[in-house]
Amino acid sequence: NAGVMQNPRHLVRRRGQEARLRCSPMKGHSHVYWYRQLPEEGLKFMVYLQKENIIDESGMPKERFSAEFPKEGPSILRIQQVVRGDSAAYFCASSRQSGGGETQYFGPGTRLLVL
Amino acid sequence: EDQVTQSPEALRLQEGESSSLNCSYTVSGLRGLFWYRQDPGKGPEFLFTLYSAGEEKEKERLKATLTKKESFLHITAPKPEDSATYLCAVINTNAGKSTFGDGTTLTVKP
Repeated sequence: NAGVMQNPRHLVRRRGQEARLRCSPMKGHSHVYWYRQLPEEGLKFMVYLQKENIIDESGMPKERFSAEFPKEGPSILRIQQVVRGDSAAYFCASSRQSGGGETQYFGPGTRLLVL
Repeated sequence: EDQVTQSPEALRLQEGESSSLNCSYTVSGLRGLFWYRQDPGKGPEFLFTLYSAGEEKEKERLKATLTKKESFLHITAPKPEDSATYLCAVINTNAGKSTFGDGTTLTVKP
Protein backbone atom coordinates (compact mmCIF):
# COMPACT_ATOMS: atom_id res chain seq x y z
CA ASN A 1 0.00 0.00 0.00
CA ALA A 2 1.76 3.11 -1.24
CA GLY A 3 2.17 5.97 1.16
CA VAL A 4 1.46 9.64 0.57
CA MET A 5 3.17 10.78 -2.60
CA GLN A 6 4.35 14.26 -3.37
CA ASN A 7 5.94 15.71 -6.45
CA PRO A 8 8.13 17.24 -7.36
CA ARG A 9 10.51 16.54 -4.49
CA HIS A 10 12.52 19.65 -5.30
CA LEU A 11 11.34 22.74 -7.14
CA VAL A 12 13.33 25.83 -8.09
CA ARG A 13 11.51 28.97 -9.17
CA ARG A 14 12.53 32.55 -9.83
CA ARG A 15 10.74 35.38 -8.12
CA GLY A 16 7.41 36.09 -9.79
CA GLN A 17 6.91 32.60 -11.20
CA GLU A 18 4.23 30.13 -10.19
CA ALA A 19 4.81 26.97 -8.16
CA ARG A 20 2.50 23.95 -8.30
CA LEU A 21 2.92 21.23 -5.71
CA ARG A 22 1.06 17.95 -6.02
CA CYS A 23 -0.02 15.44 -3.41
CA SER A 24 -1.60 12.02 -3.84
CA PRO A 25 -3.06 10.71 -0.58
CA MET A 26 -2.74 7.17 0.67
CA LYS A 27 -5.19 4.68 -0.81
CA GLY A 28 -8.50 4.89 1.00
CA HIS A 29 -7.79 8.35 2.43
CA SER A 30 -10.11 11.19 1.48
CA HIS A 31 -8.74 13.96 3.70
CA VAL A 32 -5.67 16.00 2.79
CA TYR A 33 -3.72 18.56 4.79
CA TRP A 34 -0.91 20.89 3.73
CA TYR A 35 1.81 22.13 6.07
CA ARG A 36 4.79 24.41 5.60
CA GLN A 37 8.11 24.02 7.38
CA LEU A 38 10.60 26.85 7.33
CA PRO A 39 14.25 26.09 8.07
CA GLU A 40 14.84 25.36 11.74
CA GLU A 41 11.11 25.76 12.49
CA GLY A 42 8.18 23.47 13.18
CA LEU A 43 5.35 22.46 10.90
CA LYS A 44 2.68 25.10 10.37
CA PHE A 45 -0.80 24.14 9.22
CA MET A 46 -1.96 25.72 5.99
CA VAL A 47 -5.14 24.06 4.72
CA TYR A 48 -7.39 21.03 5.19
CA LEU A 49 -9.35 19.64 2.23
CA GLN A 50 -11.71 16.87 1.39
CA LYS A 51 -12.65 15.92 -2.14
CA GLU A 52 -13.90 19.07 -3.87
CA ASN A 53 -14.16 20.96 -0.57
CA ILE A 54 -11.94 23.24 1.47
CA ILE A 55 -12.70 22.51 5.11
CA ASP A 56 -10.25 24.81 6.90
CA GLU A 57 -7.92 27.30 5.26
CA SER A 58 -7.13 29.32 8.36
CA GLY A 59 -3.39 28.84 7.90
CA MET A 60 -3.22 29.93 4.28
CA PRO A 61 -1.77 33.34 3.44
CA LYS A 62 -4.54 35.55 2.14
CA GLU A 63 -2.86 36.27 -1.18
CA ARG A 64 -1.03 34.21 -3.81
CA PHE A 65 -1.75 30.83 -2.20
CA SER A 66 -4.56 28.47 -3.18
CA ALA A 67 -5.32 24.78 -2.81
CA GLU A 68 -7.68 22.29 -4.37
CA PHE A 69 -8.51 18.62 -4.13
CA PRO A 70 -10.55 17.69 -7.20
CA LYS A 71 -12.82 14.71 -7.55
CA GLU A 72 -10.20 13.03 -9.70
CA GLY A 73 -6.47 13.45 -9.36
CA PRO A 74 -4.09 14.77 -6.76
CA SER A 75 -4.42 17.71 -4.44
CA ILE A 76 -2.65 20.83 -5.70
CA LEU A 77 -1.07 23.62 -3.68
CA ARG A 78 -0.51 26.61 -5.93
CA ILE A 79 1.68 29.58 -5.15
CA GLN A 80 1.48 32.49 -7.55
CA GLN A 81 4.18 35.13 -7.99
CA VAL A 82 6.57 33.43 -5.60
CA VAL A 83 8.86 35.47 -3.37
CA ARG A 84 12.03 34.41 -1.57
CA GLY A 85 10.12 34.08 1.69
CA ASP A 86 8.13 31.22 0.15
CA SER A 87 11.26 29.05 0.17
CA ALA A 88 10.43 26.18 2.51
CA ALA A 89 9.52 22.52 2.67
CA TYR A 90 5.86 21.87 1.97
CA PHE A 91 4.40 18.68 3.39
CA CYS A 92 1.16 16.99 2.57
CA ALA A 93 -0.58 14.58 4.93
CA SER A 94 -3.65 12.42 4.53
CA SER A 95 -6.07 10.67 6.84
CA ARG A 96 -8.84 8.15 6.48
CA GLN A 97 -11.57 10.01 8.33
CA SER A 98 -11.99 13.52 9.57
CA GLY A 99 -9.06 15.18 11.24
CA GLY A 100 -10.42 14.69 14.70
CA GLY A 101 -8.38 11.88 16.14
CA GLU A 102 -7.52 10.07 12.96
CA THR A 103 -3.81 9.81 12.36
CA GLN A 104 -2.33 11.92 9.60
CA TYR A 105 0.35 10.27 7.50
CA PHE A 106 2.89 12.50 5.82
CA GLY A 107 4.52 12.51 2.43
CA PRO A 108 8.22 13.16 1.81
CA GLY A 109 7.66 16.85 1.10
CA THR A 110 8.45 19.28 -1.71
CA ARG A 111 11.39 21.58 -1.12
CA LEU A 112 10.77 24.88 -2.84
CA LEU A 113 13.65 27.23 -3.49
CA VAL A 114 12.92 30.70 -4.82
CA LEU A 115 15.86 32.44 -6.42
CA GLU B 1 -5.57 29.22 20.36
CA ASP B 2 -4.00 25.78 20.68
CA GLN B 3 -0.36 25.76 21.75
CA VAL B 4 2.30 23.05 21.91
CA THR B 5 5.68 23.55 23.58
CA GLN B 6 8.40 20.94 23.39
CA SER B 7 11.45 20.72 25.59
CA PRO B 8 14.34 20.55 25.48
CA GLU B 9 15.04 21.96 22.01
CA ALA B 10 18.04 19.67 21.69
CA LEU B 11 19.19 16.65 23.63
CA ARG B 12 22.49 14.84 23.36
CA LEU B 13 22.75 11.37 24.90
CA GLN B 14 25.31 8.63 25.04
CA GLU B 15 24.20 5.30 23.65
CA GLY B 16 22.32 3.48 26.39
CA GLU B 17 21.57 6.65 28.39
CA SER B 18 17.79 6.78 28.91
CA SER B 19 15.90 10.08 28.97
CA SER B 20 12.56 11.76 28.32
CA LEU B 21 11.23 14.41 25.96
CA ASN B 22 8.45 16.71 27.08
CA CYS B 23 5.44 18.06 25.19
CA SER B 24 3.27 20.58 27.03
CA TYR B 25 0.00 21.55 25.40
CA THR B 26 -2.89 23.95 25.76
CA VAL B 27 -6.04 23.04 23.90
CA SER B 28 -9.70 23.75 24.55
CA GLY B 29 -10.64 20.15 23.90
CA LEU B 30 -8.11 17.43 23.14
CA ARG B 31 -9.14 15.05 20.41
CA GLY B 32 -5.74 13.40 20.11
CA LEU B 33 -2.02 13.90 20.73
CA PHE B 34 0.47 12.57 18.21
CA TRP B 35 4.18 11.87 18.23
CA TYR B 36 6.20 11.82 15.02
CA ARG B 37 9.83 11.27 14.19
CA GLN B 38 11.44 13.33 11.44
CA ASP B 39 14.81 12.59 9.86
CA PRO B 40 16.67 15.34 7.95
CA GLY B 41 15.21 15.90 4.50
CA LYS B 42 12.25 13.59 5.09
CA GLY B 43 8.63 13.83 6.06
CA PRO B 44 7.41 13.13 9.61
CA GLU B 45 6.98 9.44 10.40
CA PHE B 46 4.09 8.52 12.65
CA LEU B 47 4.95 6.98 16.02
CA PHE B 48 2.01 7.16 18.44
CA THR B 49 -1.48 8.50 19.00
CA LEU B 50 -2.76 9.13 22.54
CA TYR B 51 -6.36 10.07 23.24
CA SER B 52 -6.89 10.36 26.99
CA ALA B 53 -4.99 11.10 30.18
CA GLY B 54 -3.36 8.02 31.62
CA GLU B 55 -2.93 6.34 28.27
CA GLU B 56 0.45 4.83 27.38
CA LYS B 57 1.83 3.40 24.13
CA GLU B 58 5.09 1.54 23.54
CA LYS B 59 7.16 0.69 20.52
CA GLU B 60 10.61 -0.83 20.82
CA ARG B 61 12.70 1.63 22.88
CA LEU B 62 10.02 4.33 22.90
CA LYS B 63 7.15 4.84 25.31
CA ALA B 64 4.66 7.71 25.17
CA THR B 65 2.51 8.82 28.08
CA LEU B 66 -0.21 11.43 28.42
CA THR B 67 -1.57 13.62 31.21
CA LYS B 68 -4.10 16.45 31.00
CA LYS B 69 -1.35 19.01 30.40
CA GLU B 70 1.60 17.20 28.88
CA SER B 71 2.98 14.16 27.19
CA PHE B 72 6.33 12.47 27.61
CA LEU B 73 8.28 10.42 25.14
CA HIS B 74 10.56 8.13 27.11
CA ILE B 75 13.56 6.67 25.33
CA THR B 76 15.11 3.63 26.98
CA ALA B 77 18.69 2.65 26.19
CA PRO B 78 18.79 4.70 22.97
CA LYS B 79 20.91 3.77 19.97
CA PRO B 80 22.53 6.09 17.41
CA GLU B 81 19.77 5.25 14.94
CA ASP B 82 17.28 6.91 17.30
CA SER B 83 18.88 10.25 16.43
CA ALA B 84 16.18 12.42 14.83
CA THR B 85 13.82 15.29 15.54
CA TYR B 86 10.78 14.23 17.51
CA LEU B 87 7.60 16.20 16.91
CA CYS B 88 4.50 16.44 19.06
CA ALA B 89 1.12 17.59 17.74
CA VAL B 90 -2.43 18.00 19.04
CA ILE B 91 -5.81 18.02 17.35
CA ASN B 92 -8.64 20.04 18.85
CA THR B 93 -12.09 18.48 19.11
CA ASN B 94 -13.43 21.37 17.05
CA ALA B 95 -10.85 21.37 14.28
CA GLY B 96 -9.31 19.06 11.75
CA LYS B 97 -5.91 20.71 11.73
CA SER B 98 -2.95 19.69 13.84
CA THR B 99 -0.91 22.13 15.91
CA PHE B 100 2.73 21.10 16.06
CA GLY B 101 5.48 21.91 18.50
CA ASP B 102 8.89 22.97 17.21
CA GLY B 103 10.38 19.58 18.04
CA THR B 104 13.23 18.13 20.08
CA THR B 105 16.36 17.19 18.17
CA LEU B 106 17.87 14.09 19.69
CA THR B 107 21.47 13.07 19.06
CA VAL B 108 22.67 9.73 20.38
CA LYS B 109 26.44 9.26 20.40
CA PRO B 110 27.92 5.76 20.20
